[in-house]
Amino acid sequence: DTAVSQTPKYLVTQMGNDKSIKCEQNLGHDTMYWYKQDSKKFLKIMFSYNNKELIINETVPNRFSPKSPDKAHLNLHINSLELGDSAVYFCASSQDSLAGAGETQYFGPGTRLLVL
Amino acid sequence: KQEVTQIPAALSVPEGENLVLNCSFTDSAIYNLQWFRQDPGKGLTSLLLIQSSQREQTSGRLNASLDKSSGRSTLYIAASQPGDSATYLCAVFTGGFKTIFGAGTRLFVKA
Repeated sequence: DTAVSQTPKYLVTQMGNDKSIKCEQNLGHDTMYWYKQDSKKFLKIMFSYNNKELIINETVPNRFSPKSPDKAHLNLHINSLELGDSAVYFCASSQDSLAGAGETQYFGPGTRLLVL
Repeated sequence: KQEVTQIPAALSVPEGENLVLNCSFTDSAIYNLQWFRQDPGKGLTSLLLIQSSQREQTSGRLNASLDKSSGRSTLYIAASQPGDSATYLCAVFTGGFKTIFGAGTRLFVKA
């Protein structure tokens, strides 16, 4: 059973398009995250949601809009894609409550986005 | 601002060798530190999590230590195997659901 799944695995699109990436976790976790891993392999947090509520928005352009329809899902919609958006986007989840003590994070396989 | 640095950036060792990966962080006010493994084209797998009150954690051939006051952690891998080849990432949890990652150490174990 896949704990954290993402779709699609690969995404190739033209500049200016709008695209979405979906994430689902079946671990019963309260907290979900989106990370971006750039070409230099640096992993940076973008968003964090706890029980469907936005906790962290790490100075991400407002072209990126996360949506959490329920605790098990956190989707990422990107408007007006730019060349610099090309990266690998990882979804993760953890059992953290609102206290946020830092439980182990479980990562999805990543979505490789290439903007042409 | 918390920064996490990992040294070396890359490491190549013969099979069977014991090795140490280093991680340093600039702000000692952390909740915990985690070591992850990332295989090419894959997601991250958590290896060990050390709470700020702990000094070390062990899992099989892996041992991670934490010296919070000096801002250092090490990951010790005993009797390395080709299957250990991967990128190893260190991450500190600073509270408020925020995790800061290092750039990773790419390990290659030669058969």
